[in-house]
Amino acid sequence: GENVEQHPSTLSVQEGDSAVIKCTYSDSASNYFPWYKQELGKRPQLIIDIRSNVGEKKDQRIAVTLNKTAKHFSLHITETQPEDSAVYFCAANFGNEKLTFGTGTRLTIIP
Amino acid sequence: EAGVTQSPTHLIKTRGQQVTLRCSPISGHTSVYWYQQALGLGLQFLLWYDEGEERNRGNFPPRFSGRQFPNYSSELNVNALELEDSALYLCASREGGARQPQHFGDGTRLSIL
Repeated sequence: GENVEQHPSTLSVQEGDSAVIKCTYSDSASNYFPWYKQELGKRPQLIIDIRSNVGEKKDQRIAVTLNKTAKHFSLHITETQPEDSAVYFCAANFGNEKLTFGTGTRLTIIP
Repeated sequence: EAGVTQSPTHLIKTRGQQVTLRCSPISGHTSVYWYQQALGLGLQFLLWYDEGEERNRGNFPPRFSGRQFPNYSSELNVNALELEDSALYLCASREGGARQPQHFGDGTRLSIL
């Protein structure tokens, strides 16, 4: 089936430390993996995405890694700041062109 | 460039009523997706429209339906509202193929009394 598992469900880190969120997907044919950030009461916003032809992508303090063999991908946030506090969702596409989302990770940055 | 716009922002209905939610995609985007996000939960896929056709639907009953117009805007209709339909309904649009990002609107908060 089309399944994306996301861990952990909640994560608290000290300001300045790094945060890592991990997702696994079920379909080896998936080839597109976006990450969204949703602040309280706001829309999900795309923060980074990766396609299956690369293993890593970085954008300033945010990076995503992809292991196609193991069917998992991870979001890395370095030098965390209070404004990084939000719910983060991973997603993977499946052959029928829809995204299936993970269950979300509530990230709290402790000042 | 305007983003995805949804209307109304909030809606209060009672059980058994019907509701129509509206979405205008980003200019040039032909695909529109609808999601349900219950309070504190993840995004559940509802419907996908592309070029005026329904391409896929999620695991929701038939009382959830919609359509896409020639200008690519879309409506989501929910009949016979139930208490558990209370949620944020998000619309997203996408340009091009499956490996392009979806961009979300601010959603419609639907409350069923």
